[in-house]
Amino acid sequence: EAGVVQSPRYKIIEKKQPVAFWCNPISGHNTLYWYLQNLGQGPELLIRYENEEAVDDSQLPKDRFSAERLKGVDSTLKIQPAELGDSAVYLCASSLDSGFNEQFFGPGTRLTVL
Amino acid sequence: DQQVKQNSPSLSVQEGRISILNCDYTNSMFDYFLWYKKYPAEGPTFLISISSIKDKNEDGRFTVFLNKSAKHLSLHIVPSQPGDSAVYFCAASDSGKNFGNEKLTFGTGTRLTIIP
Repeated sequence: EAGVVQSPRYKIIEKKQPVAFWCNPISGHNTLYWYLQNLGQGPELLIRYENEEAVDDSQLPKDRFSAERLKGVDSTLKIQPAELGDSAVYLCASSLDSGFNEQFFGPGTRLTVL
Repeated sequence: DQQVKQNSPSLSVQEGRISILNCDYTNSMFDYFLWYKKYPAEGPTFLISISSIKDKNEDGRFTVFLNKSAKHLSLHIVPSQPGDSAVYFCAASDSGKNFGNEKLTFGTGTRLTIIP
């Protein structure tokens, strides 16, 4: 069974540029999560989707971050414009349903903002 | 406010000995706890979990202990193997009355190095 797929794996951009990350969850997983992991820290939830509905986006900085999961399968996380402090690893995870706590993580996208 | 704390950033253990990783939490509403293991350039992978109705859960070489009164949990790995070298994250969830609210709050991680 294929795991959570994320692309790109690495991205280097200049500040004020836009950037987008893509995630394809494990087939059949209805719940999708985007996490931010800063260096030396644990992952922090940005947004959680149940199918195509964002059920928890309280930690998403909505002035510059946006996310979508239009068909309830794959998802895109966008930053516009990027700032220096956005340099981090962006992790996507999925789980079978909202009541099941085991989340399967993708390899992440490492973003460097110059 | 760090609700889940892993106070040891690193730990070195001889191969074959026991590794003990510790985690403390402050939120008394947490009722489900997980350990994730992370290798470089990979995402975290689920290792073992425990519900607050239990005080111990065992899976092969891995055992998690939960002390609710102390708000403390620990992961024991015995015997430790070189492949166990990784960063270990403790995570907690408050499923509470809102079943399905499984936002995970992670600790900062402990880097475990197994010395051959």
